Amino acid sequence: AQSVTQLDSHVSVSEGTPVLLRCNYSSSYSPSLFWYVQHPNKGLQLLLKYTSAATLVKGINGFEAEFKKSETSFHLTKPSAHMSDAAEYFCVVSPFSGGYNKLIFGAGTRLAVHP
Amino acid sequence: IAGITQAPTSQILAAGRRMTLRCTQDMRHNAMYWYRQDLGLGLRLIHYSNTAGTTGKGEVPDGYSVSRANTDDFPLTLASAVPSQTSVYFCASSDSGLAGNEQFFGPGTRLTVL
Repeated sequence: AQSVTQLDSHVSVSEGTPVLLRCNYSSSYSPSLFWYVQHPNKGLQLLLKYTSAATLVKGINGFEAEFKKSETSFHLTKPSAHMSDAAEYFCVVSPFSGGYNKLIFGAGTRLAVHP
Repeated sequence: IAGITQAPTSQILAAGRRMTLRCTQDMRHNAMYWYRQDLGLGLRLIHYSNTAGTTGKGEVPDGYSVSRANTDDFPLTLASAVPSQTSVYFCASSDSGLAGNEQFFGPGTRLTVL
């Protein structure tokens, strides 16, 4: 069965320091993987997407993620946090599925950025 | 601006009442979805539609129904609301129902069932 585990429910960083949000996945096939961001009281916005091309994926707002098949990980990073990065982040796997465009969401990681 | 609109933004509902959440997209996407978001559980799929005229059950379909009469609209109906349906509901769409397609999300409807 496919699943996603976000290893930290909360992460707190200082502005200007690196961000690391960790995600492990389980899938029988080579999946598509996504990171979405949700700002307070807003819908979800796509940060980046991996679909079996380059293993290092660059997204919006300076975020990037590296697909590591051997570790079944897809961690999200950013070199320098901004106050506007404070939000909830969801790691999502889209396994091959015969019926529909299935997305399996992690439980989310809340990122706090302090001055 | 192209995207997904949802209505209402929020609603308080008495248990046992019927409620329809509306969702409209103007991107001409073939596939649409309804999710509920509960604290600590991420988003869970309620129902989906790969194309107008077809629907399917997701992970948590009980107590909900959907219809897809045309490409743009995908309403979600709670026939007889219960308190456990208190949640934030998100509608989404994607260009196709094939795996790996990006889903675009609406702003959400916050529903409280008392």
